[in-house]
Amino acid sequence: KAGVTQTPRYLIKTRGQQVTLSCSPISGHRSVSWYQQTPGQGLQFLFEYFSETQRNKGNFPGRFSGRQFSNSRSEMNVSTLELGDSALYLCASSWRTGGTGELFFGEGSRLTVL
Amino acid sequence: DAKTTQPPSMDCAEGRAANLPCNHSTISGNEYVYWYRQIHSQGPQYIIHGLKNNETNEMASLIITEDRKSSTLILPHATLRDTAVYYCIVRVKDDYKLSFGAGTTVTVRA
Repeated sequence: KAGVTQTPRYLIKTRGQQVTLSCSPISGHRSVSWYQQTPGQGLQFLFEYFSETQRNKGNFPGRFSGRQFSNSRSEMNVSTLELGDSALYLCASSWRTGGTGELFFGEGSRLTVL
Repeated sequence: DAKTTQPPSMDCAEGRAANLPCNHSTISGNEYVYWYRQIHSQGPQYIIHGLKNNETNEMASLIITEDRKSSTLILPHATLRDTAVYYCIVRVKDDYKLSFGAGTTVTVRA
């Protein structure tokens, strides 16, 4: 059974640019959640999507956005990049309903903003 | 989510059992205990979870005290590949607003 797939794994951008990250959940999982991980702040929740609808949102500015498609794949976008956006962006998938809440993470997309 | 407290680090000899404690004294009745680990620069890996009863799977065992205020993750035969940061979190199962604390850095030594 394939795991959660995130692309790209590594990317370098400059300030002011925008970036789109992609996440393909485990087959059958309908919930996708996104997290930012930095050495200083640890793991922080960005948002969660289920059935193409955003169900929860963390405390991040509007520059951070996402969406989910009918096949449960999800993308997140960060516009007007800042140096502080450099982080490991993690996506996790889950059954959400009918399961016991396990989250399965991808390997992450490491973003460096110069 | 209830706050958890874990020791910052611990060493373990290869082949021996590693016992990782976690305190969660303010856990609510509907909150589960989940354990994840993260090997450097990789995504967190789910290990095990439980509500009240002790649990065991192919990776580890989870012992939850009767009052549910603390738990212990047991890696029965630690290997060098078990070197990682281990996170204990408590949450209701449909709450995805995770935040990991500092966790316990486990170093397995040959």
